[in-house]
Amino acid sequence: NAGVTQTPKFRVLKTGQSMTLLCAQDMNHEYMYWYRQDPGMGLRLIHYSVGEGTTAKGEVPDGYNVSRLKKQNFLLGLESAAPSQTSVYFCASSYPFQGDTQYFGPGTRLTVL
Amino acid sequence: KNEVEQSPQNLTAQEGEFITINCSYSVGISALHWLQQHPGGGIVSLFMLSSGKKKHGRLIATINIQEKHSSLHITASHPRDSAVYICAVTRGETSGSRLTFGEGTQLTVNP
Repeated sequence: NAGVTQTPKFRVLKTGQSMTLLCAQDMNHEYMYWYRQDPGMGLRLIHYSVGEGTTAKGEVPDGYNVSRLKKQNFLLGLESAAPSQTSVYFCASSYPFQGDTQYFGPGTRLTVL
Repeated sequence: KNEVEQSPQNLTAQEGEFITINCSYSVGISALHWLQQHPGGGIVSLFMLSSGKKKHGRLIATINIQEKHSSLHITASHPRDSAVYICAVTRGETSGSRLTFGEGTQLTVNP
């Protein structure tokens, strides 16, 4: 099992460019999450999904969109990148039990110039 | 004030020392998690607990629900334990098992 994978691992964008981060999991998890990690702030939830075809906003959703067309994939989109979106992005997934363990991907380091 | 507070923010120890990292939270929870983030960036879950105590190898996690406090202990610390340790909680009323994270504790164990 690959677990949770993220594509790409690194990316540099110019302000205003768009991109999509892909998260894939092979554990048949219902729940998937996108977080961003910034120095001194800890991990913060951007968007999450409790099942195929459903998405919901987290703490810091502005500037991002998500889609979950297939159970195993969760896409995070930046329509018009801004320097404030420079961060490390982590995807995670879990079973649909309250408080269950989350499994994290390796992260994507994004720099917006 | 953050809903999840960790202390200390940074901790340096000598190999073999007993280490304690603390986590306090201010909301009702259904579970508390301890995670480890290595210098390469990957995050792994160490423990998920809702009461009492759990042990895995040299790691011990405890939680006191009444005091809203948890501790992570490392016995006989080793340089390979050097990492960021993160406390997170699943709030009791939260849908989707969302986590709220502390800022992390950077642990450095010197040989």
